[in-house]
Amino acid sequence: GENVEQHPSTLSVQEGDSAVIKCTYSDSASNYFPWYKQELGKRPQLIIDIRSNVGEKKDQRIAVTLNKTAKHFSLHITETQPEDSAVYFCAASINQGGKLIFGQGTELSVKP
Amino acid sequence: KAGVTQTPRYLIKTRGQQVTLSCSPISGHRSVSWYQQTPGQGLQFLFEYFSETQRNKGNFPGRFSGRQFSNSRSEMNVSTLELGDSALYLCASSPSKGNIQYFGAGTRLSVL
Repeated sequence: GENVEQHPSTLSVQEGDSAVIKCTYSDSASNYFPWYKQELGKRPQLIIDIRSNVGEKKDQRIAVTLNKTAKHFSLHITETQPEDSAVYFCAASINQGGKLIFGQGTELSVKP
Repeated sequence: KAGVTQTPRYLIKTRGQQVTLSCSPISGHRSVSWYQQTPGQGLQFLFEYFSETQRNKGNFPGRFSGRQFSNSRSEMNVSTLELGDSALYLCASSPSKGNIQYFGAGTRLSVL
């Protein structure tokens, strides 16, 4: 069935370092890959997304890469700041919405 | 524009009871998806409604059901509650299939 594996489950970095979170999806028909940030007690917020016709997308300190052959996509955060501390979820979808299959989440801690 | 609104925010029920949760999407959005979030299982897709029709369904038992009204507001119902149904229930809306999902703050259900 549909499945998204996310690693690592926890990640601790020093302020200013980079952070990388990786996800692998099982359904080759998946064509939309959003990333959500969820702070403690808050709702998930979309931070970046990528569609299958694009290999890389960047928005300021955040970038996402997609390797369709390997069914693998990654989130890259550069120059991390304490306010980046949160749980990050990757997700995959067929036809860009409706039903999102989420990874298990990565708890990112950025230490000042 | 108002965001996705979920009511109530908190609920306490006992085993065997039933519960109804409500979700009002962003104005103009026609798709509403529901997710269950637990520490152990993460974010799991329940179902999606579009124009009053269930368009996608996850792997949850028949005790979980939903509906959507003509104004796009959606409700989900859980009958014969079990302890394991304790979770944060999130809904998300999007203009149509193929667009970003925006999440509500969720309803936290505790089953005693």
